[in-house]
Amino acid sequence: SYVLTQPPSMSVAPGQTARITCGGKNIGSKSIQWYQQKAGQAPVLVVYDDSDRPSGIPERFSGSNSGNTATLTISRVEAGDEADYYCQVWNSRSDHPVFGGGTKLTVL
Amino acid sequence: QITLKESGPTLMKPTQTLTLTCTFSGFSLSTSGVGVGWIRQPPGQALEWLALIFWNDDKRYSPSLKSRLTITKDTSKNQVVLTMTNMDPVDTATYYCARTVDTAVGGNYFDYWGQGTLVTVSS
Repeated sequence: SYVLTQPPSMSVAPGQTARITCGGKNIGSKSIQWYQQKAGQAPVLVVYDDSDRPSGIPERFSGSNSGNTATLTISRVEAGDEADYYCQVWNSRSDHPVFGGGTKLTVL
Repeated sequence: QITLKESGPTLMKPTQTLTLTCTFSGFSLSTSGVGVGWIRQPPGQALEWLALIFWNDDKRYSPSLKSRLTITKDTSKNQVVLTMTNMDPVDTATYYCARTVDTAVGGNYFDYWGQGTLVTVSS
């Protein structure tokens, strides 16, 4: 089965840039999505199709995807960005979605 | 405005069958390309996809849980029902339903999520 690998945790100071990675074999050929999940809340889609943002998501959230790594970039990090972030792709071979293990972002 | 809401039992005993209902509004499950999926999250753990049903009644199941899952839809009621047999304490989790739409290159993603419902399995 297709595996997505994320770092379990990372920390960043307010105002800095956070880059959260998601690794997978030839992930650059797939469409990747990113979800933000704050404590006690349901996940929220923040990036879809590699780099598009749903309405209402700040421009500080951006995405890229190439080769074997996709990246969610959060610029000018704020305290409110502290959350778990999950990547997701569609496994075309088995024809179902796959989630990464999640990255806990701590804002120092 | 698109909303989804999960409903079902909060406490179950081992070996029982779980039935969860997702009631949604703001979209139709008869629209081409649209689906509804179920995702669960054990306490403190990652998201795990369970099942999907599409507008054309096509269905997908997690390979590891396929033998225990059934997903159905009632388009007239705007509901999707998930059943999971032989519940075990390890199935304790928050269960979410979410709308799914097509990606640009094939496959689907979840653009709207319900609030989730915690199901605890304990004897």
